[in-house]
Amino acid sequence: DTGVSQDPRHKITKRGQNVTFRCDPISEHNRLYWYRQTLGQGPEFLTYFQNEAQLEKSRLLSDRFSAERPKGSFSTLEIQRTEQGDSAMYLCASSLDGPFQYFGAGTRLSVL
Amino acid sequence: GQQLNQSPQSMFIQEGEDVSMNCTSSSIFNTWLWYKQDPGEGPVLLIALYKAGELTSNGRLTAQFGITRKDSFLNISASIPSDVGIYFCAGQPSGGGADGLTFGKGTHLIIQP
Repeated sequence: DTGVSQDPRHKITKRGQNVTFRCDPISEHNRLYWYRQTLGQGPEFLTYFQNEAQLEKSRLLSDRFSAERPKGSFSTLEIQRTEQGDSAMYLCASSLDGPFQYFGAGTRLSVL
Repeated sequence: GQQLNQSPQSMFIQEGEDVSMNCTSSSIFNTWLWYKQDPGEGPVLLIALYKAGELTSNGRLTAQFGITRKDSFLNISASIPSDVGIYFCAGQPSGGGADGLTFGKGTHLIIQP
């Protein structure tokens, strides 16, 4: 399968714990995006990388959130001191020099 | 901030019927995209539109980019059971293709047997 891969698919954690999600983009895609989706809503943009450089962050990305793409390939999204309001589907997308963003299946986070 | 208004929120139709949904924006977008999302999965790209007035088809799907760059519609002809899902419009303000997408809240399509 050469699509966008996300791991894990589901994560259950207790409030206050840290969590990390991984995204592997489509091979050779230079752009990688993170979105958050809550129930009944469309995805909301969080941040974007071009190769290893993080070029844009939305105001939704609080100080507890950090994303990296160290070698311009896979990316990680970490949430520190999780809160119940962080419960959502976290989606990753990748693209190659254009507007076509291809999404992974997402990581569903439940904070208890 | 930018908002996309999608309508209708949900549609209950009979198999074989045509479907029409639309999306409007308070600001200009230079690219419009339509996605479909099934439960527990990520959105899947259906159609991309680049030019104002552009009409594009993909099988039974047809989408148009409004002349004002503030709206788009998606039509599905002769609906089939696998068309069930949530359809999202998404806009990108720049023409360069690098920005994060702004999504609507989705149109939930339900097909009655």
